[in-house]
Amino acid sequence: GENVEQHPSTLSVQEGDSAVIKCTYSDSASNYFPWYKQELGKRPQLIIDIRSNVGEKKDQRIAVTLNKTAKHFSLHITETQPEDSAVYFCAATSGTYKYIFGTGTRLKVLA
Amino acid sequence: GAVVSQHPSWVICKSGTSVKIECRSLDFQATTMFWYRQFPKQSLMLMATSNEGSKATYEQGVEKDKFLINHASLTLSTLTVTSAHPEDSSFYICSAPAGNAPPQYFGPGTRLTVL
Repeated sequence: GENVEQHPSTLSVQEGDSAVIKCTYSDSASNYFPWYKQELGKRPQLIIDIRSNVGEKKDQRIAVTLNKTAKHFSLHITETQPEDSAVYFCAATSGTYKYIFGTGTRLKVLA
Repeated sequence: GAVVSQHPSWVICKSGTSVKIECRSLDFQATTMFWYRQFPKQSLMLMATSNEGSKATYEQGVEKDKFLINHASLTLSTLTVTSAHPEDSSFYICSAPAGNAPPQYFGPGTRLTVL
């Protein structure tokens, strides 16, 4: 079955710097890759997603890149702000809607 | 975006009792819903896929007789934790796709504490 690895598990950056989180998936049939932000005790919130027919997608300070050949995708957050501090999860699915989540990255933006 | 609600938001129960958690899609119909469990500082682990009008599909290692799922309508799925034990204490989250394509929309979660 699908397996998703996520790195790093924790990440601390200075406010204004960039943060990059990487995920690797195993199932070559995976075709949809969302990223979720989860604050303590709350539901995961979709922040950006990418489909397998696209190599990069950007939404203001957030971007995601996908390398299908290498089976990895990355989240890029530029100009980080303290409110970006949260746990970020990547996921992969092959269209059955069944998400397999990565292990999560705890991002801390230092003011 | 689509809205998914859960009830209750938190519940405390005694060991050996059963607890029912409801997941509702408020502004869309969901033939499929998903139930996840999240332990502190861990990722979301898929427990089962809830299918409207048919049996749920459970992930490997999840006891179907312990975690009863019912998806009786296009807007409601329920998860019943039977004979709950302290190790069942966790954050239970449901999700549903709105339509025939991703993304999934998550409910606010239910924190279960078994004493």
